[in-house]
Amino acid sequence: GAGVSQSPRYKVAKRGQDVALRCDPISGHVSLFWYQQALGQGPEFLTYFQNEAQLDKSGLPSDRFFAERPEGSVSTLKIQRTQQEDSAVYLCASSSDTSARTDTQYFGPGTRLTVL
Amino acid sequence: GQNIDQPTEMTATEGAIVQINCTYQTSGFNGLFWYQQHAGEAPTFLSYNVLDGLEEKGRFSSFLSRSKGYSYLLLKELQMKDSASYLCAVRSSGAGSYQLTFGKGTKLSVIP
Repeated sequence: GAGVSQSPRYKVAKRGQDVALRCDPISGHVSLFWYQQALGQGPEFLTYFQNEAQLDKSGLPSDRFFAERPEGSVSTLKIQRTQQEDSAVYLCASSSDTSARTDTQYFGPGTRLTVL
Repeated sequence: GQNIDQPTEMTATEGAIVQINCTYQTSGFNGLFWYQQHAGEAPTFLSYNVLDGLEEKGRFSSFLSRSKGYSYLLLKELQMKDSASYLCAVRSSGAGSYQLTFGKGTKLSVIP
């Protein structure tokens, strides 16, 4: 596709529910990132994939957060037993470079999660 | 660790020039990025600096001084559509160098 797409764009969940957020990266992009952006803040890194391998998950805030990219393209970020503090915009980004050391990351529009 | 500082808000007049500053402290450095983000939209890439100096791209320019841990984004001939948040982000070197660390963003308001 022309850019990174994410779905759903908006998600409202009751506290304790599980949610799944989807990211479709730019076709052919090897690297994929998830970020969390709270209101009025900059994005914060959650996790990084190179193809299907999750090489860095140091930013995941708790074991309730889980991400996967089983075939090296589409990725899903899953949050179990959602809490109010999980309310944020979840951004996905992709880049073409295999090491992601030098390449630009291109962002999707994000999923705005609201936990009631 | 990383620490990135940029002003929270700025206001400038249509047609004018504005400079948005960013200072950073990092344990390693592998490039600095500027992104523009309109409310409710994706951050869009503006510029990338890895060496000292000025990078110019149309109405936007970005400057980097690695020794001072300092960068700025310069926007010329401001237009109303430039009203947005501007995010400064640093990529570190070494382990875990792939992710970007962002500042909180500078909300720019362009007024007539």
